[in-house]
Amino acid sequence: SQELEQSPQSLIVQEGKNLTINCTSSKTLYGLYWYKQKYGEGLIFLMMLQKGGEEKSHEKITAKLDEKKQQSSLHITASQPSHAGIYLCGADIPYSGAGSYQLTFGKGTKLSVIP
Amino acid sequence: GAVVSQHPSWVICKSGTSVKIECRSLDFQATTMFWYRQFPKQSLMLMATSNEGSKATYEQGVEKDKFLINHASLTLSTLTVTSAHPEDSSFYICSAGQVDQPQHFGDGTRLSIL
Repeated sequence: SQELEQSPQSLIVQEGKNLTINCTSSKTLYGLYWYKQKYGEGLIFLMMLQKGGEEKSHEKITAKLDEKKQQSSLHITASQPSHAGIYLCGADIPYSGAGSYQLTFGKGTKLSVIP
Repeated sequence: GAVVSQHPSWVICKSGTSVKIECRSLDFQATTMFWYRQFPKQSLMLMATSNEGSKATYEQGVEKDKFLINHASLTLSTLTVTSAHPEDSSFYICSAGQVDQPQHFGDGTRLSIL
């Protein structure tokens, strides 16, 4: 089975600082998704990466999928308190049924931003 | 776009009762809906996958008779926790997906069984 390992598990940064969260897969990634979750709430979709070397940005968040498609990183520039939350990476896993793929998730990275 | 509504957001009930949780895709038709369970400070654990009009596929270790899933339309899936007990207390989240599109999640349901 495919496993996703996220690092670090938790992160505390000063407002304005940059940070990076990593997601490493035990197998080749065919679709990698980044979500943000606030404790006790649902997940907010951030970005989807599918091609090796792909990089996407939205506001101050940039996500990359490495060429070998086994690792992704999420980079936040000039962090703000609004960035605080739990960041989860999820990967498509082959599904024999019809419809969209299942996802397996990493354990998450808890980000705290100190004003 | 891509809004998923989950209801209720919080439910407290007595042991032995059954609880139904609804998951609706509001502005798109979902090929597939997924149900997850999340324990405190843990990641999401996939419980089952359901496609409209067919039986749900449950993950290993998830009791089909305990967690009944009905996916009657392309916009609605329900999870019924039957004869709930305190150990069923958890945070349940649904998601809806289309082929080659990211899954979009509901806001979750916090279930507390007394």
